[in-house]
Amino acid sequence: QKEVEQDPGPLSVPEGAIVSLNCTYSNSAFQYFMWYRQYSRKGPELLMYTYSSGNKEDGRFTAQVDKSSKYISLFIRDSQPSDSATYLCAGDSSYKLIFGSGTRLLVRP
Amino acid sequence: KAGVTQTPRYLIKTRGQQVTLSCSPISGHRSVSWYQQTPGQGLQFLFEYFSETQRNKGNFPGRFSGRQFSNSRSEMNVSTLELGDSALYLCASRRTGGFGDTQYFGPGTRLTVL
Repeated sequence: QKEVEQDPGPLSVPEGAIVSLNCTYSNSAFQYFMWYRQYSRKGPELLMYTYSSGNKEDGRFTAQVDKSSKYISLFIRDSQPSDSATYLCAGDSSYKLIFGSGTRLLVRP
Repeated sequence: KAGVTQTPRYLIKTRGQQVTLSCSPISGHRSVSWYQQTPGQGLQFLFEYFSETQRNKGNFPGRFSGRQFSNSRSEMNVSTLELGDSALYLCASRRTGGFGDTQYFGPGTRLTVL
């Protein structure tokens, strides 16, 4: 079993939709969680990071962590075609990040 | 502030050769990590250096090695290249590498092994 599981998609939504991206994890040692966005042929770009259970909001993005069920989510409001990318969740453990496989998102104009 | 830079951006090698990739972290960052990204395995941790010392190592063969210099710049080396080593190699830096210290990635070096 992978330490971080993520549906690879692709997920296709119309412009303006609310997008929900999800990951589950098995490593109880994870204390921090990150969401990265990666455009084709580019390096991952940090979007959000969270520590405790609950929500964290930044503009159109909301990250949610539920440590009791080992579930992390990223919500994107008013999605734009420029949001089309691969979204990677990661848990922080012992100086290294453990990544999910990434979900490919396509926002249709 | 300049981001993480990696050189070269693209590299083509043949099986059996060796390769050295370079990474310059964000100014002030002392922790450098390396990751391998492939379509099949995703992003996998290779190793992490802090103040010239390797602090953590992923599950990769000994052909993969790295080092960090006193100015925090880092290099990774892959010897006796195999076809399966074709991947995007990503370097990431953070200030100290402690918990909660966010990690920033460079653009990567795309290695193709023929």
